Amino acid sequence: DTGVSQDPRHKITKRGQNVTFRCDPISEHNRLYWYRQTLGQGPEFLTYFQNEAQLEKSRLLSDRFSAERPKGSFSTLEIQRTEQGDSAMYLCASSFPRGYRRAETQYFGPGTRLLVL
Amino acid sequence: QQPVQSPQAVILREGEDAVINCSSSKALYSVHWYRQKHGEAPVFLMILLKGGEQKGHEKISASFNEKKQQSSLYLTASQLSYSGTYFCGTESTYSGAGSYQLTFGKGTKLSVIP
Repeated sequence: DTGVSQDPRHKITKRGQNVTFRCDPISEHNRLYWYRQTLGQGPEFLTYFQNEAQLEKSRLLSDRFSAERPKGSFSTLEIQRTEQGDSAMYLCASSFPRGYRRAETQYFGPGTRLLVL
Repeated sequence: QQPVQSPQAVILREGEDAVINCSSSKALYSVHWYRQKHGEAPVFLMILLKGGEQKGHEKISASFNEKKQQSSLYLTASQLSYSGTYFCGTESTYSGAGSYQLTFGKGTKLSVIP
């Protein structure tokens, strides 16, 4: 079990550029989550996939953000036309399904730290 | 609404005990506790379900009072390795859209010194 992995670990970009992050969940986990974490705050939910279906999106996820999980395995999060306010740690988590979809343990990856100059 | 954690920060000497509280304005189904060290991923500690259960994990235990919509994390005989920021994530009993999200508090920074 290699855990949740994310790539890259760090990204520095200029305002207006597009960036893409990748998340590989734990292999048997079919649920995948994206969070954003800023300094001094807890993780904030962005979006959630069950297999390849994107089931929930937060109001934090503006039109510039798009997430995909094309084959139900790895996921990508793209931010278009980055702004300085997008600077944050982007965390991915995955969970193993329980029959009644409650109280699943989410295992987090190491995150991608984004800095927009 | 995110849960409120208290205290915001605490400094302990090795061997001392601490309690971290997590309070929500919503009826809760579960509370999830994580520890995060600087620059690292949040690490899962334990999950508590409604029913007022209490759990233990080595010298770290927690309780959940669903009537008060509160959970507390107890750290006894603290070790240097306990240093980090502790987050509670809450899952509400509401069953509509977005109900299965975890909503995290702002965290409690725990520093254990020799």
